[in-house]
Amino acid sequence: GQQVQQSPASLVLQEGENAELQCNFSSTATRLQWFYQRPGGSLVSLLSNPSGTKHTGRLTSTTVTKERRGSLHISSSQITDSGTYLCAMELGSWGSNAKLTFGKGTKLSVKS
Amino acid sequence: EAAVTQSPRNKVAVTGGKVTLSCNQTNNHNNMYWYRQDTGHGLRLIHYSYGAGSTEKGDIPDGYKASRPSQENFSLILELATPSQTSVYFCASGDGGLYAEQFFGPGTRLTVL
Repeated sequence: GQQVQQSPASLVLQEGENAELQCNFSSTATRLQWFYQRPGGSLVSLLSNPSGTKHTGRLTSTTVTKERRGSLHISSSQITDSGTYLCAMELGSWGSNAKLTFGKGTKLSVKS
Repeated sequence: EAAVTQSPRNKVAVTGGKVTLSCNQTNNHNNMYWYRQDTGHGLRLIHYSYGAGSTEKGDIPDGYKASRPSQENFSLILELATPSQTSVYFCASGDGGLYAEQFFGPGTRLTVL
């Protein structure tokens, strides 16, 4: 079946450092969506990106669907950024909001 | 942002019992989804729906049924709960579009003894 591989599995940063999270997928995805999962469980949607580069706040998502890869850049990390970042790929018709397949996540710890 | 709520938030059930997990969304999204999250497996899709009256099997549907009686409500039903169904269950909703997103509820922690 379709697979999503995220790297690194975990990452420890000092406050203020930048983070680069990678996502590789086994099939040609129509869209990548990035989520943040708080310690304790709830998921928050960060960015949804079908291709190219998209920014919001300190976050930059880059999706290169032909190369089956994507990334999430977090600039000037803060302690409150700590948690797990999940990448999910959508297969299916463009714009159909079809099924998502998730990676296992990158656990980010930001220390002072 | 879409508002998705789930009930109950925590549930302890006995093996062989029937469990119903409920999900409600208030933003009129057509699509709704049920996932489970387990350590080592990540989030996996159980059932989904494209609108009232429709349900579709996801990647791991065995042992689960789903019901979508209205645009707002989507239920996950475990007719005969087993300990292997102990997990955290998430409901999500979303719609189509170039930058379509899925929005998640807070999760339900289910323990089957």
